[in-house]
Amino acid sequence: NAGVIQTPRHKVTGKGQEATLWCEPISGHSAVFWYRQTIVQGLEFLTYFRNQAPIDDSGMPKERFSAQMPNQSHSTLKIQSTQPQDSAVYLCASSSPGFTEVFFGKGTRLTVV
Amino acid sequence: AQSVTQPDARVTVSEGASLQLRCKYSYSATPYLFWYVQYPRQGLQLLLKYYSGDPVVQGVNGFEAEFSKSNSSFHLRKASVHWSDSAVYFCAVRMPNYNVLYFGSGTKLTVEP
Repeated sequence: NAGVIQTPRHKVTGKGQEATLWCEPISGHSAVFWYRQTIVQGLEFLTYFRNQAPIDDSGMPKERFSAQMPNQSHSTLKIQSTQPQDSAVYLCASSSPGFTEVFFGKGTRLTVV
Repeated sequence: AQSVTQPDARVTVSEGASLQLRCKYSYSATPYLFWYVQYPRQGLQLLLKYYSGDPVVQGVNGFEAEFSKSNSSFHLRKASVHWSDSAVYFCAVRMPNYNVLYFGSGTKLTVEP
């Protein structure tokens, strides 16, 4: 079990460019969560999928951010027209159907220059 | 407003000393409660969780936490810390009828030799 895999671990983008972050949940897990971590805001919930369906995206910024889960083996978080304030560590997590424990990936550190 | 509060941003203790990290929550109903630890450049790892029953729960690596309904608290304790316990500790909650974890701001623990 390799755990939740996030790629890339580090990404540097220029202001205005697009960034796509990838997450591979643990095999058999039915729920996927995305969080954003910054020094100022801490750990912020972004969005949540269950059985590939979007359940709650209440934490997603209304513009430029989108998430998808096209199949049970991966989810993506896409940020269009990146801005310096998007710089953060983006964490993906997955959970089994019973939600007894949520497992986190190591995160993708996004730097917008 | 619903919230999870960790009042101490930084805590420094000497190796071998006892430890308490504080967590208070403000929710209309008693949530499920969790403590996670984050080592540098790593994802979050679950230390322990409380759903119901005995208010003192045991976790990994000698950690325990005590739930207090009257104080709306879930403080983390360890009898004797080791230098390897230096990390950031997060208190988290989730409501019984919902699967999203919400985190406190974290406490950075430094264990001095």
